[in-house]
Amino acid sequence: DVKVTQSSRYLVKRTGEKVFLECVQDMDHENMFWYRQDPGLGLRLIYFSYDVKMKEKGDIPEGYSVSREKKERFSLILESASTNQTSMYLCASSRLRTRSYEQYFGPGTRLTVT
Amino acid sequence: SQQGEEDPQALSIQEGENATMNCSYKTSINNLQWYRQNSGRGLVHLILIRSNEREKHSGRLRVTLDTSKKSSSLLITASRAADTASYFCATLGGGGKLIFGQGTELSVKP
Repeated sequence: DVKVTQSSRYLVKRTGEKVFLECVQDMDHENMFWYRQDPGLGLRLIYFSYDVKMKEKGDIPEGYSVSREKKERFSLILESASTNQTSMYLCASSRLRTRSYEQYFGPGTRLTVT
Repeated sequence: SQQGEEDPQALSIQEGENATMNCSYKTSINNLQWYRQNSGRGLVHLILIRSNEREKHSGRLRVTLDTSKKSSSLLITASRAADTASYFCATLGGGGKLIFGQGTELSVKP
C-alpha cells in the first residue's frame, strides 16, 4: 500500500521559531510537493521538487524554504514562524513520467503559530 | 493561481439522493482529476478523465467532461453518510503540477 507520511499531525510553535515539517514517501516518486490549505483559499502550492536537490517555487514561497537531500524525503522549513503561517500543510508526491500525474497525499500537519 | 472553480461551494443532501458537483477551468487540459478530502485529512484521488473522453464511471461515481465549455461534473449516486467530505477538481499545469479548485463541501445527512 502506497504511503506518504508527515512527521506530525498537530504542531504548535511560537512566533519566531524555526519550524521543520517532514514528509516521506515510499513509492520512489520523483515529484514531491508542499501545499498549504486555508478556508476559502483551497490548496496553494508552496514549493515542489522533481529530483533530489532540485526545487521550484510554487505560488506562495515567501517565508518558506525546502530541502530534498534524499529522493524519499522532502522537508518544508519555516525560517521564522509567523502567525499568518498558521495553516494546514499537505505534502504530496507523484511520478515524473506518467500520463496522469496523479498525486498521493499525506495526512496533513495542522500548524498553529502563537 | 486557481484553474478549477467548483460549484456549489457547499451542498447538503439526504442519504440516498444524488450529489452533483461542477468544476470550470480556464485553459486547455490533458486531463482533469477529482479528489476527495475527509475532514482534517489529506486528499485521495478518486477518478481521472482525459481530454478525449466525455464520460467515465467508477462505482457510484460518474464524471463528465465538456471541453467546449471547459467544465466537468462529478455525480455521486445513492449517496451515503460516509460520502461526507470535500471534493476538489484538479487540472494539470506545467511541470507535473496540479492546480486545484477551492472545493465543494458535501454533507450527506442520514
